Formats: sequence, structure tokens, C-alpha cells
Amino acid sequence: GQNIDQPTEMTATEGAIVQINCTYQTSGFNGLFWYQQHAGEAPTFLSYNVLDGLEEKGRFSSFLSRSKGYSYLLLKELQMKDSASYLCAVLRGDYKLSFGAGTTVTVRA
Amino acid sequence: DTAVSQTPKYLVTQMGNDKSIKCEQNLGHDTMYWYKQDSKKFLKIMFSYNNKELIINETVPNRFSPKSPDKAHLNLHINSLELGDSAVYFCASSQDFGDSAYGYTFGSGTRLTVV
Repeated sequence: GQNIDQPTEMTATEGAIVQINCTYQTSGFNGLFWYQQHAGEAPTFLSYNVLDGLEEKGRFSSFLSRSKGYSYLLLKELQMKDSASYLCAVLRGDYKLSFGAGTTVTVRA
Repeated sequence: DTAVSQTPKYLVTQMGNDKSIKCEQNLGHDTMYWYKQDSKKFLKIMFSYNNKELIINETVPNRFSPKSPDKAHLNLHINSLELGDSAVYFCASSQDFGDSAYGYTFGSGTRLTVV
């Protein structure tokens, strides 16, 4: 089975940094994705980690610790347009992609 | 030029009806998926086809039947619609089954409301 947990909501101020944590327990592991989903729109790919460590892409970074079953997405220099839901997803051993419920981030001016 | 397009975007229908949702991708990907996103925002895999062959069939009522006429198309037909089928249905594609590095590309979703 699988269990993917992330906080339901987070609020931060424009220009600040927010870290969204994700813990998982899955049957096998072939990598972890982060997706961004604006209300009423499709999820869009942000990052993929399969090895331990930090992957940086502009203002967004994603970290993975396989031994701890833990990842985080770091959003820096927050902008109003970053207000969205952020989905943690694990590619299981059977190559099925399982999603967490998402974290709604609200950026305030 | 939309990479993964699905139609219709909105669908309102009565209980008991039969409806279809269509999906097409122009990315040259081999694998396509149907996901259901319920009111709690969970995205759950329903089906996956790789080169027209069904490879994932999760525990979904058999009122739901996917069809893939070719690897660029994956349609979803739903018989005898029920209130609980109301959700947003997302089509997605990936380079190949198990291909990870580039993630999945999702369509814009079909919001199905059963009344």
C-alpha cells in the first residue's frame, strides 16, 4: 500500500520562503515528483528526485531522503502567482504514480 | 499547440446516462493515463495504456471502460452514471511506462457533474 502525507495548507508573505514537507511509505520506490496545480487547472511538473539530495531549479528546490521517506519542496522569493496547490507524488515500485492530497499555499501581499 | 487535450472541459449529465470523455496527445508519448480527482483533491490513477495495451487497471467499477484506438488517443466511456462519479477527470501522458525524468503531462481536466 502507500501513504503520502503533506500539510493541508500553508500561508506566507510575498518575498518570503516556504518549505512544504512530504513523508511517504510506499511499496517500492522509483522516484518522487512535485507538481503545481492552480485552481481549476492541470497539474504541472516541477521536479523529480530519485537520489538523495537537493535539486535546484531557479526559485524552486526539492530535497529527498530515501532512508527517511522524506522530501520537501522549497519555494523562495515567493510571488503572488505561486499561490496554488503543491502535490507530492511517489512513483512506486510497480511504476504507478501515487499522489498526496496536496498543500494549498496562499501568498499574501 | 496543446500537448494533451481532452474534451469536453465541462460535462453536466443526469444519473443513469452514458457519457464519453476524449483525450489526445501530440507529444509522441507511448503511455497515457486516466486520473480522477475527487472533492478532497486526491488524484487517483484509474487506467494506463502503453502503446494501446492496457497495463494498469485499478479498482474501478466496470461501468468505466477505457479505449485506446492508437497510442495518441485514450478515451473514457462511463455507463450508468452515478452521483459519486462527479469529479474532475484528468488525462495524462508520459514518454514511456516507468519513464520518470520528465514527469507526466496532464490535460486540462474534464469536470463531470452528475445530477
